[in-house]
Amino acid sequence: EAQVTQNPRYLITVTGKKLTVTCSQNMNHEYMSWYRQDPGLGLRQIYYSMNVEVTDKGDVPEGYKVSRKEKRNFPLILESPSPNQTSLYFCASTRGLSTDTQYFGPGTRLTVL
Amino acid sequence: QKEVEQDPGPLSVPEGAIVSLNCTYSNSAFQYFMWYRQYSRKGPELLMYTYSSGNKEDGRFTAQVDKSSKYISLFIRDSQPSDSATYLCAMSGERDDKIIFGKGTRLHILP
Repeated sequence: EAQVTQNPRYLITVTGKKLTVTCSQNMNHEYMSWYRQDPGLGLRQIYYSMNVEVTDKGDVPEGYKVSRKEKRNFPLILESPSPNQTSLYFCASTRGLSTDTQYFGPGTRLTVL
Repeated sequence: QKEVEQDPGPLSVPEGAIVSLNCTYSNSAFQYFMWYRQYSRKGPELLMYTYSSGNKEDGRFTAQVDKSSKYISLFIRDSQPSDSATYLCAMSGERDDKIIFGKGTRLHILP
């Protein structure tokens, strides 16, 4: 089954404790992306990657890092999480370019205390 | 002015009505326009995608883009309770560029 998976689905952590949210897709898609979704602010793109070793900043990259060492994986790294990074995070992948159909993962709900 | 403006709603309409959802934008470089539907506790899914100005129809859904007015619309005909969801518009300048989403409009179709 074609899908985007994210782990963990739920995470409660404390300020400053480094964490990684994994994202994996099994569709051989080139373009992958991370979003955060907050009430009243909608869906905002954090980082995106057009292919292996090619990443670029989205709208709200501060406080986040990403890497794309393999085509299928695109982890999101929070080196020193802060409470303002409490949010719902979505990973997405696209077969070709950013405007093709994006397949979204199920979401990761992160709470930083 | 925000790059993309979208009324958050909620918008409640009776079953069978025609629904009109809209977004305005300020960046004239946007060329690619998308509508996503998001059910509660789920990730968004792409509904419609259009390039530049014009109309596109897919079943009960019609997307319109008016680049001269910087205004896009999504129409839903014969609305069903299963259409109740949040609808997000999204835009991009180039096909490998970042994507800007509207905040989403919550839609309720009343049986």
